[in-house]
Order: sequence, then C-alpha cells, then structure tokens
Amino acid sequence: SQQGEEDPQALSIQEGENATMNCSYKTSINNLQWYRQNSGRGLVHLILIRSNEREKHSGRLRVTLDTSKKSSSLLITASRAADTASYFCATPESTSGTYKYIFGTGTRLKVLA
Amino acid sequence: DTGVSQDPRHKITKRGQNVTFRCDPISEHNRLYWYRQTLGQGPEFLTYFQNEAQLEKSRLLSDRFSAERPKGSFSTLEIQRTEQGDSAMYLCASSLGAVQETQYFGPGTRLLVL
Repeated sequence: SQQGEEDPQALSIQEGENATMNCSYKTSINNLQWYRQNSGRGLVHLILIRSNEREKHSGRLRVTLDTSKKSSSLLITASRAADTASYFCATPESTSGTYKYIFGTGTRLKVLA
Repeated sequence: DTGVSQDPRHKITKRGQNVTFRCDPISEHNRLYWYRQTLGQGPEFLTYFQNEAQLEKSRLLSDRFSAERPKGSFSTLEIQRTEQGDSAMYLCASSLGAVQETQYFGPGTRLLVL
C-alpha cells in the first residue's frame, strides 16, 4: 500500500529559524494531511490540503502540494522550542469503497532554545 | 473533556496474557480507527469502524487481535496470547461522517509485553 515518506528523518534547528520537511507519496490522492506528535502522546491534526490546492496557510504553518511530483512540504516559520515534535504526513488509500489514511515514518524536529 | 479518550494509558503484561483496551470517541463521530505505533515509526492502520460495522482490517491484525464497537459508541481492542512483538503504542482516532475528514486522536495506550 502507498505510504508517505518524510524527509529528512530528523532535523535540528535554532529557535527562530524556519523548518521545512517534505513528504513524498506514490499514487494519486485527493487530499493530504499533516499531523504533529509530541513525545509519547497522540497525534494532533495540523492541516489538510486538497488536490486542487497548491498552498495553504495556518498561523506559522505553510503547506504546499505538488501533485505532479507527488510531494508536499510543511514549513514552520519562526520556530519555537514548543514546536519540538515528530511530524507526519498522511495520505488516503481507498480499498473496496472504504477509506483509510496511511502515515509516513515522520520527521523528528528538535528546536533548540 | 470532549476529546477522544483511551484506557488504560499504560499496560504491562506477561507474554501469553490477554489484554483489552478501550477507546471512547468524540460523541458525534461515527468513524473510529485503531492504529499501532512502534518507536520511531508512524502509526500503522489496524482496523476501522463506521458506526458498529467493522469495515476493514489490516493484514497486520492477526487472529489474536479482535476489535468491537457495540452500539457504534466506544470500541475495544483485545489482544489474546500476547507476544513481545505486540509491545507498542495503540492509538485510537475518530472522525465525523464523510470520507476524508480530519481524524482526532486519543492519547494512546502504551503496551509492554514482558
């Protein structure tokens, strides 16, 4: 089954810098979602971008989607120590009329104060 | 608190024992998902309910695993004859109605099989 793959696997930056992480997927999709997970906790939904959208913003988050390249990027601007977490992209997979989301392996972001 | 809740948050058991986890979704959500997550990996889909109907099960879900959602409200995930390889975080999520809806995750149940 398809799975998003995030790149890089790990990223360490200084507070105030921007963080960019990428997600690649294998088959056609009609939307893509990004989630954040703090260590040992559940996932929190960040943003959903649909296939007819190229860019979407939410606060300090900017997500782009390039369906021709089957890739998406998540940019966090002016990072804070509280942004330290793992970030996952999730893409839908349809099987016999049912829908589920497949998660990538994640990017572990560390923001140093 | 109207979010997704899971119980217990932590479970330590000996190999061969049975364990059961519970998930209470957001009340108006009719879709409920179970995932398993091991260290350093993303969540892996296990199974999914729409109301009380279990619509899909992953090949990861061996015959030792069973999930139910009676009356389309809370759900339970049971693992029989646990093995050390079952040690993981078990995550539950719920969503509302139509496909492609945002999933809201619970805090997870961390299972350690000794």
